[in-house]
Parts: sequence; structure tokens; C-alpha cells
Amino acid sequence: DAKTTQPPSMDCAEGRAANLPCNHSTISGNEYVYWYRQIHSQGPQYIIHGLKNNETNEMASLIITEDRKSSTLILPHATLRDTAVYYCIVRVGDNDMRFGAGTRLTVKP
Amino acid sequence: GAVVSQHPSWVICKSGTSVKIECRSLDFQATTMFWYRQFPKQSLMLMATSNEGSKATYEQGVEKDKFLINHASLTLSTLTVTSAHPEDSSFYICSATLAGGETQYFGPGTRLLVL
Repeated sequence: DAKTTQPPSMDCAEGRAANLPCNHSTISGNEYVYWYRQIHSQGPQYIIHGLKNNETNEMASLIITEDRKSSTLILPHATLRDTAVYYCIVRVGDNDMRFGAGTRLTVKP
Repeated sequence: GAVVSQHPSWVICKSGTSVKIECRSLDFQATTMFWYRQFPKQSLMLMATSNEGSKATYEQGVEKDKFLINHASLTLSTLTVTSAHPEDSSFYICSATLAGGETQYFGPGTRLLVL
């Protein structure tokens, strides 16, 4: 599975949009982009995933560039409860999931 | 839907004893379950992949005789840490995939402290 690169940390003001970038320049055509988050001392929580098209659900939006070499997770109105480590993972089908270091997002009042 | 539970949520044991952790998919059948561990301030590390009715596949560096995995049904996988030592103290997390599905759903984790 392709490797991903994320900034180690980001801050965001409460109520503002949080835009979390991820680079995956070696992604192959059949690899999906997944986003999970882990709030302190809990198991990872699934957020969203996509292949080529932009995706939106009740939690977030996922914007994937046309060349698929990078993506951005958008939390439209961040709250204090969105403070967590966010992981971007690329993966084929039901293969195992490999976690990188992720981005520690801190939402500040 | 797609809820995964783990039991116990935390456990303290003496060095040399064995500890069993259960992972259950509550509302779906999971042909594949995964076991991870996470040390403080680190990311999740995959330990093994468990398929129902067959032997688990372990990652390099993970001792299969120390971390026994049993996936006897489509809703239950167990991880037994045998002869636990203080260095086995960690946060153990399981995940499960729906049959034919793409998304992994994670359990809440089990915190193990070996004294």
C-alpha cells in the first residue's frame, strides 16, 4: 500500500473549518483514501473514504485532487470534541490498514 | 451499525500470567479481524490478521506463540497474551471488516498493565 505524509500537528479555531492535508504521491489506481481519527485513549473512528470523486458525509468532506496524489479532509465547523489525531491511509480493498503518525488537530476556543 | 466491542476495557495482571482479550462484532459478521497495539505517544502497529476458521497471519517481529489469536466464529476473535511481562503493557485494539466490505471498524481498545 502507498505511503502517506501528513503534517504532525495543526490548530483550528472552534467553529471554523479544519482542513487537514495528506500527500500520497505513490498511490495506485485501485487504492482508496481513508480517513480515521483517534480521540485520546479510544479506538480509531472511521470518518470517510474515497477513490476518485470527492465525498461528503455527516462528519466531513474529502477532496481528492485530480491526479489523486493528495487529498484534504474538511471538518466544516470544528468543535472542541474534534480534537484528535487524524490518520490518512491508502489501501486496496480489504487489505490490512497501516497507520502512520497522523496529524494531531487541536481545536481551540 | 458496524459496532465492535472489546472486553475487558482494561486489565492489570502479574508478570507471568496470561490475559485473554475478546473482540466482538455486534451487528455484523466479520470474516476478517485485525489486532493492533499502541504504545504511549505512538501510532497503531498491526500485530496480526485473523480470518474466521483459519490460522492468523502475524506481522514480522510478533511472536505467534506469545500472542495467541483464535477466530472461532464470524463475530468473535480472541487475543491471548501468554506469560505477560511488563513490556507487554500496551493499548490493544481490534478491528473488523464486513464480509466483502471495504471499511474497517475499530473496537474501543483494551489497556493492559503488567506488573
